[in-house]
Amino acid sequence: NAGVMQNPRHLVRRRGQEARLRCSPMKGHSHVYWYRQLPEEGLKFMVYLQKENIIDESGMPKERFSAEFPKEGPSILRIQQVVRGDSAAYFCASSPESDSYGYTFGSGTRLTVV
Amino acid sequence: DAKTTQPTSMDCAEGRAANLPCNHSTISGNEYVYWYRQIHSQGPQYIIHGLKNNETNEMASLIITEDRKSSTLILPHATLRDTAVYYCIVRTQGGSEKLVFGKGTKLTVNP
Repeated sequence: NAGVMQNPRHLVRRRGQEARLRCSPMKGHSHVYWYRQLPEEGLKFMVYLQKENIIDESGMPKERFSAEFPKEGPSILRIQQVVRGDSAAYFCASSPESDSYGYTFGSGTRLTVV
Repeated sequence: DAKTTQPTSMDCAEGRAANLPCNHSTISGNEYVYWYRQIHSQGPQYIIHGLKNNETNEMASLIITEDRKSSTLILPHATLRDTAVYYCIVRTQGGSEKLVFGKGTKLTVNP
């Protein structure tokens, strides 16, 4: 049973480009969460999604950031017109409906904006 | 904001027990205590969680005080690979409440 899969592991983008980060939850998990970790800082919640629905996006920046979790396929975190301050590790987590044991996290995508 | 308070850092000798405290004085009756850890550059890893009874699994033990205002995570025989940031989090089980990470405790296990 594969864990939460995130790709790419490392992503380099030039300022102004778009970044797409993908997350495939564990089999049987229908809830997906995205977190961002800036260098030398803690994990900050960004968004919580269920299939085809955004449940809580209170941590998402108001502009340039969007997330989706379609009926088929992985969850996507999209950052448009990236800036240097977007450089961070982005972690995805998933949980089943019952959520008895909290979240399972992926290994993260490290975004570097040059 | 995180609802817990943890020491910024702790040290432990390899092979000894590591006892990591956490204060959660405003915990509600239906909130669980969860512990995660993050080994450098990796995704956080679930360790254990509990409501009011002490819990033990293959990784650790969780001791929750009777008034539930504090808890201690115990790693019985710390190894160098246990060096990590340990996060104590309180939340209701299930539902749509997100995990809110505080600053955690940086545990360094020394040889």
